[in-house]
Amino acid sequence: AQSVTQLDSHVSVSEGTPVLLRCNYSSSYSPSLFWYVQHPNKGLQLLLKYTSAATLVKGINGFEAEFKKSETSFHLTKPSAHMSDAAEYFCVVSGDGTSYGKLTFGQGTILTVHP
Amino acid sequence: EAQVTQNPRYLITVTGKKLTVTCSQNMNHEYMSWYRQDPGLGLRQIYYSMNVEVTDKGDVPEGYKVSRKEKRNFPLILESPSPNQTSLYFCASNKLLAGGNEQFFGPGTRLTVL
Repeated sequence: AQSVTQLDSHVSVSEGTPVLLRCNYSSSYSPSLFWYVQHPNKGLQLLLKYTSAATLVKGINGFEAEFKKSETSFHLTKPSAHMSDAAEYFCVVSGDGTSYGKLTFGQGTILTVHP
Repeated sequence: EAQVTQNPRYLITVTGKKLTVTCSQNMNHEYMSWYRQDPGLGLRQIYYSMNVEVTDKGDVPEGYKVSRKEKRNFPLILESPSPNQTSLYFCASNKLLAGGNEQFFGPGTRLTVL
């Protein structure tokens, strides 16, 4: 079985300061990991994905995430927050040993950015 | 444009009145899936389909039905909706690959059952 835990339900930062959204995962197989973002009243957009290549993954809008197998973590970071980053972020694991890789979502982290 | 479409986007209905939410993708993806999103619970998979005429239950299938008669379409059917099915629903699709299966999501359908 696979699972995802997002360690913070809400994160609040000031514009221009770093962002850290934490994610731990559990998987019996070599997982693929994703971060999706959902802006208010919008669908889900892929930010970045890890599929067993480089452990540091760069995504869109200046976000990046580092896969740490020893810590079973895949934290999302950004050096400098922008007001447009305010959204809900989901950490997702895929890799339950099947060919289609069922996705399991974390509970989500709401990021608030203050001016 | 490659996309997943859902209709309707918003729906208010009453308990027990059958409804269907349509989902269509134009990317020739084999795999399609339905999720519901509830506050604090993330997205939970309702049903999925690996190809035409192949469907299976996800994590929360109770009260829902699906069909996959054509590769591009994957409707979600609520035979007798109840208030606990009030939620935001997403359809998604992806190609069948070994791992790394980025899913493409539709815009969502907000359903309210009174």
